[in-house]
Amino acid sequence: EAQVTQNPRYLITVTGKKLTVTCSQNMNHEYMSWYRQDPGLGLRQIYYSMNVEVTDKGDVPEGYKVSRKEKRNFPLILESPSPNQTSLYFCASRGWSGGEKLFFGSGTQLSVL
Amino acid sequence: QQQVKQSPQSLIVQKGGIPIINCAYENTAFDYFPWYQQFPGKGPALLIAIRPDVSEKKEGRFTISFNKSAKQFSLHIMDSQPGDSATYFCAASQRGSQGNLIFGKGTKLSVKP
Repeated sequence: EAQVTQNPRYLITVTGKKLTVTCSQNMNHEYMSWYRQDPGLGLRQIYYSMNVEVTDKGDVPEGYKVSRKEKRNFPLILESPSPNQTSLYFCASRGWSGGEKLFFGSGTQLSVL
Repeated sequence: QQQVKQSPQSLIVQKGGIPIINCAYENTAFDYFPWYQQFPGKGPALLIAIRPDVSEKKEGRFTISFNKSAKQFSLHIMDSQPGDSATYFCAASQRGSQGNLIFGKGTKLSVKP
């Protein structure tokens, strides 16, 4: 089954404790992206990647890092999480042959205390 | 900053009603306008999309109306059902760039039985 898999689904952590949210897709997609969803603010792009070793900032990149060492994986790293990063995070992917359709993961609800 | 403005923020209709969600954009270079549907606890999923060379597109009970001169597009849901209760996001992107989607802030639709 074609899917984007994020882990963990829920995460509670404390300020300053480094964490990684994993994202993997099994569709051989070139493009991957991270979004955060906050009430009243919609979906805002954090980082995106056009292909392996090619990443770029989205609209709200501060406090986040990403890497794309393999085509299928695109982890999101919070090196020193802060309470304002409490949010619902989504990973998404898209292939060039499939047009512009974005496939989203099921989300990671992060709480930073 | 490129923006897509979506309204209303929330909408309640009776079963069988026709909810309408509106979006307006600023960048005339946008050439792809999708709508995503998100159920609680799930990631957004592509519902329907339109390009500016047509003024209307229908898929089942869902219709996009597009007004290029006004830089507006809207989603109509015919014969709405309780199962349509979800959050709806409009979006826009520009072909030839990275194709990053700019999302509206979302509309929470509730269809009452």
